[in-house]
Amino acid sequence: AQKITQTQPGMFVQEKEAVTLDCTYDTSDPSYGLFWYKQPSSGEMIFLIYQGSYDQQNATEGRYSLNFQKARKSANLVISASQLGDSAMYFCAMREGWSNDYKLSFGAGTTVTVRA
Amino acid sequence: GAVVSQHPSRVICKSGTSVKIECRSLDFQATTMFWYRQFPKKSLMLMATSNEGSKATYEQGVEKDKFLINHASLTLSTLTVTSAHPEDSSFYICSARDSSSTSNQPQHFGDGTRLSIL
Repeated sequence: AQKITQTQPGMFVQEKEAVTLDCTYDTSDPSYGLFWYKQPSSGEMIFLIYQGSYDQQNATEGRYSLNFQKARKSANLVISASQLGDSAMYFCAMREGWSNDYKLSFGAGTTVTVRA
Repeated sequence: GAVVSQHPSRVICKSGTSVKIECRSLDFQATTMFWYRQFPKKSLMLMATSNEGSKATYEQGVEKDKFLINHASLTLSTLTVTSAHPEDSSFYICSARDSSSTSNQPQHFGDGTRLSIL
């Protein structure tokens, strides 16, 4: 079974508007963490935001926020005030357990295109 | 912040050539590094876990003899694509994290290597 599901292959958003990228996950481990990464066309993977399973509040980092709904096993990324430079592929990923040498499970990714 | 350097960024070579890709953690030590392969517009596929001082752990379906991994120090892992063929052409990317940090800290990725086999 897929551990991370991203159902939106591609999205268009108008500059300055907000966009929500969906991510659902599947794990039986009570200790897990969810990461979002951005991959521009140049290929590098840029870490955006992290949410731990025991975190009480939704994570925020500048224009990025994470809508964490634990009971629904979803961790949607919200990008506010979209900019042209936000055009990229976005990946949701999960670590399970507390090991420092954790593996990441990645979703299929969502391509975001910001229109001027 | 933590930086992972990957070299080379692009390789174009003839079929049958062996290609070595380096992944270095510049300001931290990493007992574990990860190697991924990515096809255009697709997700990252984990190939193997590189373990400092011991053998790498390969994911199912990845040929150990084709993709040789060496992790000789706490800051360097190498991936060698042996006798590369056109079907090995892909984007390869490594990741690492500070082994002394807590598990809520992210993996940091190299900039990737675009490998093209003619």
